[in-house]
Formats: sequence, C-alpha cells, structure tokens
Amino acid sequence: GAGVSQTPSNKVTEKGKYVELRCDPISGHTALYWYRQSLGQGPEFLIYFQGTGAADDSGLPNDRFFAVRPEGSVSTLKIQRTERGDSAVYLCASSPRTGLLSGANVLTFGAGSRLTVL
Amino acid sequence: AQSVAQPEDQVNVAEGNPLTVKCTYSVSGNPYLFWYVQYPNRGLQFLLKYITGDNLVKGSYGFEAEFNKSQTSFHLKKPSALVSDSALYFCAVRDSGSGNTGKLIFGQGTTLQVKP
Repeated sequence: GAGVSQTPSNKVTEKGKYVELRCDPISGHTALYWYRQSLGQGPEFLIYFQGTGAADDSGLPNDRFFAVRPEGSVSTLKIQRTERGDSAVYLCASSPRTGLLSGANVLTFGAGSRLTVL
Repeated sequence: AQSVAQPEDQVNVAEGNPLTVKCTYSVSGNPYLFWYVQYPNRGLQFLLKYITGDNLVKGSYGFEAEFNKSQTSFHLKKPSALVSDSALYFCAVRDSGSGNTGKLIFGQGTTLQVKP
C-alpha cells in the first residue's frame, strides 16, 4: 500500500483480556518494527522483523507480549492478560531491508493503535 | 548507556522567526542521528538524518540540523518558522549495537508552538 496501515486505530479493553494489533507495512519493505509510545514519552522499541523472523525482540517488556509476521508482510502484535500499564499508542514502522546504508534506517510509521486498558 | 535528551518540553516562537529545537545524545561509536515530526493523529514523519559527511544536514520542509561532535548535539533549526510547523518533534539515535537497522532510541519529544 501507499503507507503503513495499522488497525484498530483505537482499542479499549478490560484488564486481563487478550488484544491483537495489526500492521500492514509498505509493499516491498522487508523490515518491520513495533514501538510503544506512552503519554508524554518518545517511542520505545519493542521488536523488529527482517522478513518473517524476529531479528531482535529485546524490547518486549515481558512474555505477555508476542509478535508474528508469518508471511513476511502483515504483522500482528499480541498482548495477553492485559494490564493497565499496557495502555499506550503502539506504533508500527517499516523500511527497506537492512544493510543498505542509504535507506535502511529511515522508518515510515503508521498512525498507531491507541490501546486503553480499563 | 545510550540515550537522547531533548531538554525543552516546549518551544514557542513567532511566525517568521528562526527556531531551534535542541537535542543531545550519548552513544558509543559514530552516531547515526535522526529527527522525526509527529502531527496529531498522524504517524511520525522522517525529517532528516546525519550519518556522515557535512555537519549541516538539510531535510524536509526547510528544516536543517547541525551535528556537533564535541558538544554531542544535533539541534534542529529552521530560518523562518511557519504556523504549520507546530507539532511534536523527536530526536533519535540508532542503537549502536543493532547493526544497520532502524532500531532507534528516541528522546522524549519537544512540542513546537509557532504563533501568528
């Protein structure tokens, strides 16, 4: 597509529920990133994929968080047993494949999915 | 530890005046530095980056940034501000342990308010 698409744009859930957030990156972008932005803060890295595999998941806060990208395009961020502290905007970004100095580091972000856990 | 600091929560400037949004960084090795802008209900948009070469980097919408290695700074500047420049600005540095990836460390952001 023309840009990075994220759904839903807003999600309100209750504590303890399971949530899935979807990201559809720019066509042809092999690298995909998830960031989390809490109120008043800058985005914080969660995980990134190169193709289908998670190349770096060091930013996932705990084992309640999991992400997949089974076909190397769309990715889903999954949060189990949600807690109020999970409330944030979850940002997805994509870029051309890593290893190319000229373009690899420039991320194109989606508008984000705002998660509110009551 | 690697970090990015944006010392001002908000910068106010009158339209037509020059603007500066400050950023300092701490990173091992050569820094790869970025500025992104965030408009309400929109995704972050890339403005410019410094990887190597000239210390003055020009980017989108008339913005530029000056890399200063001795002061570990990468301030964002524009000679003449527009009301439409009002937004949230983020400075970021590439995580030096991540290889050539988009794994970035962001500052906390600075709100730029340009008044007519």
